Amino acid sequence: EDQVTQSPEALRLQEGESSSLNCSYTVSGLRGLFWYRQDPGKGPEFLFTLYSAGEEKEKERLKATLTKKESFLHITAPKPEDSATYLCAVMKAAGNKLTFGGGTRVLVKP
Amino acid sequence: KAGVTQTPRYLIKTRGQQVTLSCSPISGHRSVSWYQQTPGQGLQFLFEYFSETQRNKGNFPGRFSGRQFSNSRSEMNVSTLELGDSALYLCASKDIANEKLFFGSGTQLSVL
Repeated sequence: EDQVTQSPEALRLQEGESSSLNCSYTVSGLRGLFWYRQDPGKGPEFLFTLYSAGEEKEKERLKATLTKKESFLHITAPKPEDSATYLCAVMKAAGNKLTFGGGTRVLVKP
Repeated sequence: KAGVTQTPRYLIKTRGQQVTLSCSPISGHRSVSWYQQTPGQGLQFLFEYFSETQRNKGNFPGRFSGRQFSNSRSEMNVSTLELGDSALYLCASKDIANEKLFFGSGTQLSVL
């Protein structure tokens, strides 16, 4: 069965304090690994898709990397507006179903 | 382009009632998926529709059903509501040209 585990569950950072979020996955036939950001009361907002081990993608202060067993989301010099829940999800080769991890709640204090 | 639109935004029902939620995908997107989000279980896949046909179904009881219309708009129905059905129901649409799923803001359902 497909499994996605995110750690830590929660992360409190000072503004400017860089950190990494982890997403470990077990899936047969990975089609893509997705990162989303979710603010309270809103739907997930797409950030990145990674397709193969070694791939990296960047957007502003965020950088996502992928290995055969896990993905990392690095937040460099975060700002308070980066506070959100970050969700990781995998999609198998067949079908468009996303299997999500439990998310990491990030709070960046000024 | 307008995003994924879900209505209503909030809904309060009582046990035993039924409810219908609506989702309008991004223009041109033919795949629509539904997800349930709760604090305890996180985001869980309900089902996916493509060109009016259900292509995938998650592990939810038959009380949860859906359909898709010829204009790609989708509805989700939950019959005989239970307290545990209280959740944020999210709809996502997808373009066949790439893998990105775009989510709506969801319908917050409270069952009393």
